[in-house]
Amino acid sequence: DAKTTQPPSMDCAEGRAANLPCNHSTISGNEYVYWYRQIHSQGPQYIIHGLKNNETNEMASLIITEDRKSSTLILPHATLRDTAVYYCIVRVVIGGANNLFFGTGTRLTVIP
Amino acid sequence: DAGITQSPRHKVTETGTPVTLRCHQTENHRYMYWYRQDPGHGLRLIHYSYGVKDTDKGEVSDGYSVSRSKTEDFLLTLESATSSQTSVYFCAISDPGTAYEQYFGPGTRLTVT
Repeated sequence: DAKTTQPPSMDCAEGRAANLPCNHSTISGNEYVYWYRQIHSQGPQYIIHGLKNNETNEMASLIITEDRKSSTLILPHATLRDTAVYYCIVRVVIGGANNLFFGTGTRLTVIP
Repeated sequence: DAGITQSPRHKVTETGTPVTLRCHQTENHRYMYWYRQDPGHGLRLIHYSYGVKDTDKGEVSDGYSVSRSKTEDFLLTLESATSSQTSVYFCAISDPGTAYEQYFGPGTRLTVT
């Protein structure tokens, strides 16, 4: 399984873009990159996922490098409610279920 | 929010006692998962289910068993609780039709004294 490396913490000013990096240098060709976040003690929340191309949805954008060894999650206009732990995960599929290996993530603090 | 509930939400129990946590979903999703979350470890998969009566082990399955007798319920049992099983337990669901997104329940905080 591909492992991921994320910085333990980051700060971002409210209203600015938050760029969260993730390294996954051992990713294989059919593995997807997923991003989740966990606000305080709540259950994790799905944000976005991608394989090769950049992706965008109502929450965020995902930029994956051409060699797929790293990616960046972009929150375009961070708000205080975006303060959370963000997890970059490489998906492994076993028997059709999706076993997501969560690491320790990046704690993003949005500063007023 | 996806219809996932966990019960109990909080439990304190003594070492050696059996404990069962329940996850209930109203989404009719095929796959269900149990994770535990501990400081410094992120979330770790305990067991998962890919259908009624079909389950398999995850990363940290020792000391845990699961059962799924119907689509909506996934039970996690600690046969004889130990202090190392003090943790927050999250249930999750997913379905092939939802692009492999997992939806998580609110969690159960278990303390074993």
